[in-house]
Amino acid sequence: QKEVEQDPGPLSVPEGAIVSLNCTYSNSAFQYFMWYRQYSRKGPELLMYTYSSGNKEDGRFTAQVDKSSKYISLFIRDSQPSDSATYLCAINNQGGKLIFGQGTELSVKP
Amino acid sequence: DTAVSQTPKYLVTQMGNDKSIKCEQNLGHDTMYWYKQDSKKFLKIMFSYNNKELIINETVPNRFSPKSPDKAHLNLHINSLELGDSAVYFCASSQEGEGNSPLHFGNGTRLTVT
Repeated sequence: QKEVEQDPGPLSVPEGAIVSLNCTYSNSAFQYFMWYRQYSRKGPELLMYTYSSGNKEDGRFTAQVDKSSKYISLFIRDSQPSDSATYLCAINNQGGKLIFGQGTELSVKP
Repeated sequence: DTAVSQTPKYLVTQMGNDKSIKCEQNLGHDTMYWYKQDSKKFLKIMFSYNNKELIINETVPNRFSPKSPDKAHLNLHINSLELGDSAVYFCASSQEGEGNSPLHFGNGTRLTVT
């Protein structure tokens, strides 16, 4: 079993839809949870960063962490074509190394 | 004003050649990294340096040798390139160790070995 699992998609939604992106992880010692967005031919850029269970909101983006289920989510409200990108979850393991999910490719159609 | 810049952007070379990729960050961060992203978008750490000292060295072939002349620069030299080395290589930096503070990535070097 991989330490971090993420459905690679692709995921295609119409503009304005609510998008839900998810990752599961296996190690309960994981402490830091991040979401990165990667546009085509660019480096990943940090979207959200949290280290506790619960929700964290930033504009149209909400990151949710459920440590009891080892499950993290990223919700995008009122999705826009400019949100079309690959979204990678990244989780810190016990040794302090970040483990990335495979990334979910999202396409938002006008 | 580019925070993490790496050169070249594209690199096409033949098997057996030796090549280098350079990276510079102007964020004042202490830690720098090399990541490899394969065709399936998996992003895996290769090396990390903290203030010029090697911290993480994953199971990467000896043909890959990082060098950090100062804390703002981290270069990657690859000897005897193989077909399987084709990937996108990302440089990144962070203020603290990898799990404790966010990474800032460069835009990658797309390496193609023919």
